[in-house]
Amino acid sequence: DIQMTQSPSSLSASVGDGINITCRASQTISSYLNWYQQKPGKAPKLLIYAASSLQSGVPSRFSGSGSGTDFTLTISSLQAEDFGTYFCQQTYSSPWTFGQGTKVEIK
Amino acid sequence: QVRLQESGPGLVKPSQTLSLTCIVSGGSISSGSYYWSWIRQPAGKGLEWIGRISSSGTTNYNPSLKSRVTISVDTSKNQFSLNLSSVTAADTAIYYCARDSVVFSYSSNSNHYVMDVWGQGTTVTVSS
Repeated sequence: DIQMTQSPSSLSASVGDGINITCRASQTISSYLNWYQQKPGKAPKLLIYAASSLQSGVPSRFSGSGSGTDFTLTISSLQAEDFGTYFCQQTYSSPWTFGQGTKVEIK
Repeated sequence: QVRLQESGPGLVKPSQTLSLTCIVSGGSISSGSYYWSWIRQPAGKGLEWIGRISSSGTTNYNPSLKSRVTISVDTSKNQFSLNLSSVTAADTAIYYCARDSVVFSYSSNSNHYVMDVWGQGTTVTVSS
């Protein structure tokens, strides 16, 4: 299985800050990388697919980059509603696997 | 729009079989090139993909669970189901169903699978 490792595990930032979350794959996955946001008690929500494509309806302050083994989710200007846990997922090869998550808190 | 709703027992005894159903509404389970997935999440932990099925019955399973998992589809009822046998406390989790869609990325000029519609999740506890 392809292992996905996210960092940091958690972060706290203020409204208006820019933040980056990284995801590293244990082997190359080209651009087969998705990002999801999960709020407490809710199902995950798709934000970014194919490493850098923004899902319809997702605010443009979210962006993704990377290819191969290293990927980054960027929130350019953190908003209060962006709290939650963010997961990366690879769909390069089955079984699909997820990172362990990055919990984002608003200061 | 398409909505998914999980249903099934919230409590299962050890060694028994966990059975859940995901009802698809707002669209046909047979339309489009979709797969239909099950994912689980132990409380406070990460996500684990269990497996998926197409409307024609093609399945993919996570090898870590493959010996205990069966996913089936009933197109007449517009639903798909998960059976997980010989459960233990380690199978206690929130279970989600999701639609696995194919999307084309112009930036990479390739098709990608995404889980773009999710059910709300159902909590299953394994305990005697």
